[in-house]
Amino acid sequence: KNQVEQSPQSLIILEGKNCTLQCNYTVSPFSNLRWYKQDTGRGPVSLTIMTFSENTKSNGRYTATLDADTKQSSLHITASQLSDSASYICVSWGKLQFGAGTQVVVTP
Amino acid sequence: KAGVTQTPRYLIKTRGQQVTLSCSPISGHRSVSWYQQTPGQGLQFLFEYFSETQRNKGNFPGRFSGRQFSNSRSEMNVSTLELGDSALYLCASSLMGVNYGYTFGSGTRLTVV
Repeated sequence: KNQVEQSPQSLIILEGKNCTLQCNYTVSPFSNLRWYKQDTGRGPVSLTIMTFSENTKSNGRYTATLDADTKQSSLHITASQLSDSASYICVSWGKLQFGAGTQVVVTP
Repeated sequence: KAGVTQTPRYLIKTRGQQVTLSCSPISGHRSVSWYQQTPGQGLQFLFEYFSETQRNKGNFPGRFSGRQFSNSRSEMNVSTLELGDSALYLCASSLMGVNYGYTFGSGTRLTVV
């Protein structure tokens, strides 16, 4: 069973709208949680890195939250742009585990 | 500064052959790790090398091997290729190791026919 589960598997949003991606992790030990953006055919690019003591971190229009008690994280994309179309992968470090990713498609 | 460079970008091989992929890390980075990404399994960790020594290993068969040279460049080898080895192989480099900041390369797309 994957110890990092992401939802939804995919979503389509209109340009300019907001969306939130979810990541639930059960992996232990836990060091930090990272969100990556991966464009088609490219390597993942780090968006945020959060330790268990941090509960919010922003990177431009991307805001990640972490609840270490419930072991849940979310990635919020504000005012989506066409360039946000990509796969977003949640990764738990400590014991390295990857989520399956959420495929986001932003339409005009 | 230059990022992580992987060569070749695309590769087509026949079942039973072997293949060697190359990764040049960011200058000064001593840790190089390798990952396999497929539509069905997502990203999976293969192994990590730090200062020429394998430090961590994922759950892959012995057909998958790697090495790191004194200049931190790394190679990954897959022997006796199977159709299921078709994937995007990603390399990432880090100054210190898997639990620190990581930068991925663009990957090598391997197709086994």
